[in-house]
Amino acid sequence: ELKVEQNPLFLSMQEGKNYTIYCNYSTTSDRLYWYRQDPGKSLESLFVLLSNGAVKQEGRLMASLDTKARLSTLHITAAVHDLSATYFCAPQGGNQFYFGTGTSLTVIP
Amino acid sequence: ETGVTQSPTHLIKTRGQQVTLRCSSQSGHNTVSWYQQALGQGPQFIFQYYREEENGRGNFPPRFSGLQFPNYSSELNVNALELDDSALYLCASSRGIASGANVLTFGAGSRLTVL
Repeated sequence: ELKVEQNPLFLSMQEGKNYTIYCNYSTTSDRLYWYRQDPGKSLESLFVLLSNGAVKQEGRLMASLDTKARLSTLHITAAVHDLSATYFCAPQGGNQFYFGTGTSLTVIP
Repeated sequence: ETGVTQSPTHLIKTRGQQVTLRCSSQSGHNTVSWYQQALGQGPQFIFQYYREEENGRGNFPPRFSGLQFPNYSSELNVNALELDDSALYLCASSRGIASGANVLTFGAGSRLTVL
């Protein structure tokens, strides 16, 4: 079974700072997804990474995938309060998405 | 286009009871997956339905069962409820199991509390 480990689990950062969330997974997967979840809400798709070396950017977030290292990163640039949420990575194995435990991000003014 | 809708949004049951949760998939989507999200955890895959058949199952016992209907909507049934079944149940639909991006669109979830 594919295991997913995210770190950090909790992240408190000041507005304007940069930080990276890491997602390691245990077995081969060529597709990886990033989702955002606000408290009490459902999951919102952020990025789809479909191949080794894929990089996607949207606003202050940038995601990358290294399938050889079984590693994906979500980089936050110049954080703003609106980015406060829980972020999940989810590599796909067969029909199943394997979600990590999530990284709870709090951006402090 | 309408998104994924789930009902009920909240419900409370007692141990041993049975529950049925419902999901309408997003327009144009023919595949439905169900996930269980315990408090403070990531979603865990229960099963997927495609063309009204179960098409993959996670590590959940047989008392978790489902259906998919010709209009692609779906039900999740849980029998003999246990306290540990308390969780947010998420339904997600997608375009299908063909190659290419298979982005899941999630509903808002059904919050089940078992007392």
